[in-house]
Amino acid sequence: NAGVTQTPKFRILKIGQSMTLQCTQDMNHNYMYWYRQDPGMGLKLIYYSVGAGITDKGEVPNGYNVSRSTTEDFPLRLELAAPSQTSVYFCASTPYGGSQETQYFGPGTRLLVL
Amino acid sequence: GNSVTQMEGPVTLSEEAFLTINCTYTATGYPSLFWYVQYPGEGLQLLLKATKADDKGSNKGFEATYRKETTSFHLEKGSVQVSDSAVYFCALFQGGSEKLVFGKGTKLTVNP
Repeated sequence: NAGVTQTPKFRILKIGQSMTLQCTQDMNHNYMYWYRQDPGMGLKLIYYSVGAGITDKGEVPNGYNVSRSTTEDFPLRLELAAPSQTSVYFCASTPYGGSQETQYFGPGTRLLVL
Repeated sequence: GNSVTQMEGPVTLSEEAFLTINCTYTATGYPSLFWYVQYPGEGLQLLLKATKADDKGSNKGFEATYRKETTSFHLEKGSVQVSDSAVYFCALFQGGSEKLVFGKGTKLTVNP
């Protein structure tokens, strides 16, 4: 299994541009998450999904959109990039929700908005 | 709301030194507690976890005990190695919220 894969690894955007961060998992996990990690801070949850066709907001959803058309894929869309969205983005998945489940993380996408 | 507080880093140790990284939490009820590790250039991976009071999680020589009376989950290792250099995150999972709450992370550097 490849686990959780993310593309691209690194991207520079200009203010106002849009892009999609890709996330794919091959473990047949139901739950998927998007986090952002800012320097010196922990991870903040952007959006999550409990299954295909179902998504919900996390702590910091403004400026982002998600979709979940398949179990495997959970893309994150930035419509109008802003400097405040400069961050490292991590996708994660887990078989089910619940307190005992381990989250499996992808390697991250580093985004710089100039 | 729920929160996790970790000791400020960075922490620099010599090889074979004893490691403690403090973690305390604020939550209602009985959250599950986790330590995740992030090696340079990689995503986070689970190091250990504990799901109820007095549980001890352990892995790769690291240990942490869930102390409800002090709301703590301190990470310890008796003898660190250079390969332990990484950022360590304490986290809690509150039932019904569907999310992990992370501390800010503690960067550990181990010198030979």
